[in-house]
Amino acid sequence: GAVVSQHPSRVICKSGTSVKIECRSLDFQATTMFWYRQFPKQSLMLMATSNEGSKATYEQGVEKDKFLINHASLTLSTLTVTSAHPEDSSFYICSARGEGGGYEQYFGPGTRLTVT
Amino acid sequence: GEDVEQSLFLSVREGDSSVINCTYTDSSSTYLYWYKQEPGAGLQLLTYIFSNMDMKQDQRLTVLLNKKDKHLSLRIADTQTGDSAIYFCAEDQGGKLIFGQGTELSVKP
Repeated sequence: GAVVSQHPSRVICKSGTSVKIECRSLDFQATTMFWYRQFPKQSLMLMATSNEGSKATYEQGVEKDKFLINHASLTLSTLTVTSAHPEDSSFYICSARGEGGGYEQYFGPGTRLTVT
Repeated sequence: GEDVEQSLFLSVREGDSSVINCTYTDSSSTYLYWYKQEPGAGLQLLTYIFSNMDMKQDQRLTVLLNKKDKHLSLRIADTQTGDSAIYFCAEDQGGKLIFGQGTELSVKP
């Protein structure tokens, strides 16, 4: 099946710094990628949808200036958490949908962000 | 928006069947999904069902869909300890997945 990777798998950063998380589709081209946030023992919350070559669409309540999303190629999307605060600590998961616009989303393994 | 609802916990003995229930919200959802998440990991698609189907069976997994009641269930036959995980149902709303809260399945030997 299609494989999606994320890097890094874990990151610890200090308050006020920025951190970038990469999401890559390894064996298919992803026209659409999604970024989710998951708190412990809770569901996934969709943060934004990104389409290759265009601006991301953010869900209500998600600050676009804080969570910068770039989908520069058909295999790579990045999420940058700017000026991170401890409340940004969470599990961030990306998913990707292939070129055919099919129904299936393939999920990455997630990135655990801890802001100290 | 409205929530996709799941019970939070289910405990079964190894070898028994597990049934995880979900109530979704959007009657126009084309596909409904079941995902599995193991600790510290991403989501693995287990199975999905198209909205014009009532049932889908895939090895140990059986999905039942009641569109009238907007009710979806996942039955795992002969549950094993390796099935212990959190199971999420999700509905497709205009290309976006809306997830339930997840059901934590605990399988006791």
